[in-house]
Amino acid sequence: DAGVIQSPRHEVTEMGQEVTLRCKPISGHNSLFWYRQTMMRGLELLIYFNNNVPIDDSGMPEDRFSAKMPNASFSTLKIQPSEPRDSAVYFCASSGGLAVQETQYFGPGTRLLVL
Amino acid sequence: SQKIEQNSEALNIQEGKTATLTCNYTNYSPAYLQWYRQDPGRGPVFLLLIRENEKEKRKERLKVTFDTTLKQSLFHITASQPADSATYLCALDRSGATNKLIFGTGTLLAVQP
Repeated sequence: DAGVIQSPRHEVTEMGQEVTLRCKPISGHNSLFWYRQTMMRGLELLIYFNNNVPIDDSGMPEDRFSAKMPNASFSTLKIQPSEPRDSAVYFCASSGGLAVQETQYFGPGTRLLVL
Repeated sequence: SQKIEQNSEALNIQEGKTATLTCNYTNYSPAYLQWYRQDPGRGPVFLLLIRENEKEKRKERLKVTFDTTLKQSLFHITASQPADSATYLCALDRSGATNKLIFGTGTLLAVQP
């Protein structure tokens, strides 16, 4: 299996622009998680889906952030408009389900820089 | 507020020694505790999971303990090697009902040859 795939790996954009991050979870996994990692705040959960349905978006920082999962093999995280404080590494992870002992498998991340 | 603390300073040890990393938490009652390894430029990788009713878990050179009274987990790497150098993250389930995790900030381990 190829693991969790994220694109792009790096993104540099200017403040005010729309940014779209993409994720392909491991085939057969039912749950998908979006995280953001910064030096100051560490790894924070933004939103997660189960069977393509958003379950908890309480970690999404503002209305500028939105996430979708139109099917079991694809999810997007969109920031519109982007701001310099959104600069971070964004990770997508998937798991076989939401049972508490299910392991999460992380993608390589998208490093976002907003100028 | 809910909080997970790990050694804030980097941990430097000599090859062959045992590395011990600490994870302390407050205001949680997790059912499980997990440890992940993260290398620079990569996503975290799962290492071990320990349940609240387990005192200790081992996997090859790794050992994890979980003390729910002290609200602490210790992560040990025995016979450490330079290849063990990485950041290690502990993570707790928020509710005991799902694998929605909260992560500690991580400890950077450097094993000197």
